[in-house]
Amino acid sequence: QVQLQESGPGLVKPSETLSLTCSVSGVSISSYFWSWIRQPPGKGLEWIGYMYYSGNPDYTPSLENRVTISLDTSKNQFYLNMSSVTATDTAVYYCAGYTATTQTPDLWGQGTLVTVSS
Amino acid sequence: DIVMTQIPLSSPVTLGQPASISCRSSHSLEHSNGNTYLSWLQQRPGQPPRLLIYKISNRFPGVPERFSGSGAGTDFTLKISRVEAEDVGIYYCMQAAQFPRTFGQGTKLEI
Repeated sequence: QVQLQESGPGLVKPSETLSLTCSVSGVSISSYFWSWIRQPPGKGLEWIGYMYYSGNPDYTPSLENRVTISLDTSKNQFYLNMSSVTATDTAVYYCAGYTATTQTPDLWGQGTLVTVSS
Repeated sequence: DIVMTQIPLSSPVTLGQPASISCRSSHSLEHSNGNTYLSWLQQRPGQPPRLLIYKISNRFPGVPERFSGSGAGTDFTLKISRVEAEDVGIYYCMQAAQFPRTFGQGTKLEI
């Protein structure tokens, strides 16, 4: 059974860095593409970026100067770092995986709410 | 970025009756490999999204047959043949033809 679990601080201060980990079990991290997607409270979905184990990450242009996605195949984990956060970064952050066939996330974590507030 | 527009944003439905959601993209979603990458996701209250349909009309394993997708180019439709209570939620179209991936605003299906 495949499981994705996001972890990290639920509260981050403005101007600081948001750091999240997605722990993947039940499937090798090298067999999927891995993405981060966020959803502000009561709003829609926003793509943050993705990474494949053998390639470079790709980020949505509006966030690319603040975001870093990386992965560790030995730990079967991937990561999100977002610097200089503001209140507009408050959202549920999802990690998700997809294959070349669907090109759309079909594996999802439960999501973690990150609130940016002093 | 490709802009995805969904109609309607809210859809009251009757159990057992059909429902339909439209999605339009600002650019063609046909990839150079010949595939058209338009997907539909369902988000039930308090849950992460779930993939229903990919490449316009392919049902993801485990998705009931009452869900179907159609369309081409820039205009797409998700249909539910007979709405069940468990179908309540928000439906998103997503384009996977280009990065960054982009989503429609979501359509809320309400009984």
